[in-house]
Amino acid sequence: AQSVTQLDSQVPVFEEAPVELRCNYSSSVSVYLFWYVQYPNQGLQLLLKYLSGSTLVKGINGFEAEFNKSQTSFHLRKPSVHISDTAEYFCAVIRASNTGKLIFGQGTTLQVKP
Amino acid sequence: EAGVTQFPSHSVIEKGQTVTLRCDPISGHDNLYWYRRVMGKEIKFLLHFVKESKQDESGMPNNRFLAERTGGTYSTLKVQPAELEDSGVYFCASSQQGGETQYFGPGTRLLVL
Repeated sequence: AQSVTQLDSQVPVFEEAPVELRCNYSSSVSVYLFWYVQYPNQGLQLLLKYLSGSTLVKGINGFEAEFNKSQTSFHLRKPSVHISDTAEYFCAVIRASNTGKLIFGQGTTLQVKP
Repeated sequence: EAGVTQFPSHSVIEKGQTVTLRCDPISGHDNLYWYRRVMGKEIKFLLHFVKESKQDESGMPNNRFLAERTGGTYSTLKVQPAELEDSGVYFCASSQQGGETQYFGPGTRLLVL
């Protein structure tokens, strides 16, 4: 079985500051990793994903994440946030080469302050 | 190309009533998933269709929930009778055959009073 832990439920940060949202996972098999974002009053939007290859993946809106197999982590980063990045962010995993269910973390609310 | 759509966007019903949620996946996507987020909790898997067949329904909470995907296109999720603990946001997602990336709809916010 797989599990995902997002270590911070809320992350307040000032505009133009860097941010890191943490995600750790547990799995006995290989997994694919995803970050989704939910803006206020909207659905889930894919931010980025790691399937294989380079451990640093770049997504939309200037976000990137690094897969670290030894630490079983997939932290999300952005060097300079904007007010519009205020949203809830979800880390998720799926068994590699599988079209089955996603396992989600609890979500992290990023609150960008002016 | 249209994304995943869900209807209704919001539903408020009384305990004991029936509610039916609908999901239209991206055209051509064989895989269709239902998830639910209860307030304060993580998003949890309910079930997975491949075309019209239920591939995995291990996340369905109980027999008050019935999902169908007749014809392998849109899907419905019926809750009958609804209970207070069924309140939450119900998400639908779809993916291509063999595709690992799931695309989500906007969700249906269900409130059972």
